[in-house]
Amino acid sequence: DGGITQSPKYLFRKEGQNVTLSCEQNLNHDAMYWYRQDPGQGLRLIYYSQIVNDFQKGDIAEGYSVSREKKESFPLTVTSAQKNPTAFYLCASTQPGGQNYGYTFGSGTRLTVV
Amino acid sequence: GNSVTQMEGPVTLSEEAFLTINCTYTATGYPSLFWYVQYPGEGLQLLLKATKADDKGSNKGFEATYRKETTSFHLEKGSVQVSDSAVYFCARDGRGGGSNYKLTFGKGTLLTVNP
Repeated sequence: DGGITQSPKYLFRKEGQNVTLSCEQNLNHDAMYWYRQDPGQGLRLIYYSQIVNDFQKGDIAEGYSVSREKKESFPLTVTSAQKNPTAFYLCASTQPGGQNYGYTFGSGTRLTVV
Repeated sequence: GNSVTQMEGPVTLSEEAFLTINCTYTATGYPSLFWYVQYPGEGLQLLLKATKADDKGSNKGFEATYRKETTSFHLEKGSVQVSDSAVYFCARDGRGGGSNYKLTFGKGTLLTVNP
């Protein structure tokens, strides 16, 4: 079955470390997104990519970086510059203008700073 | 910019009660509108969507109608079950209002249904 796989499910980061969250999709979607979820704040967009080798900053991009070298992969790196990285991170994809247009989400990665 | 406002929770209902969760959106462009549901510890699942004015999205007994005149997309269910307990998110995309297909979410409404 097609879908989005996020790994790991739980991730622990020490102060000053960079960590990378994986997001892989086999839906053949062009567009991919990273959202951050905090209690009571809904979902906020970190970065998005509408095509391979191109990506744009979302609303809260500071302290994060991404790459889009392959259509199916959109990894997110949380750098040491991100002051408060503890959160639930969600990856999503969609095919803009597709017949069954809609967003598919992964099951998320919970990042905790220790 | 684009924004979505949904009623704050938590909402607590008894089984078989009627549910309404209000959602309004900024009127820029011609967005598609969505309701997503999130169960504890999981990602979001698409519950229903509507792509143009007066469309009604429906799924699993839930319904929402795209009301352009009131910029609303309220979620309703006639008889809730304990298994409906979850967080519900209203969202719009950016079409016509810039930002193409980016989704903007409301803050979510926690629904608890008691037996």
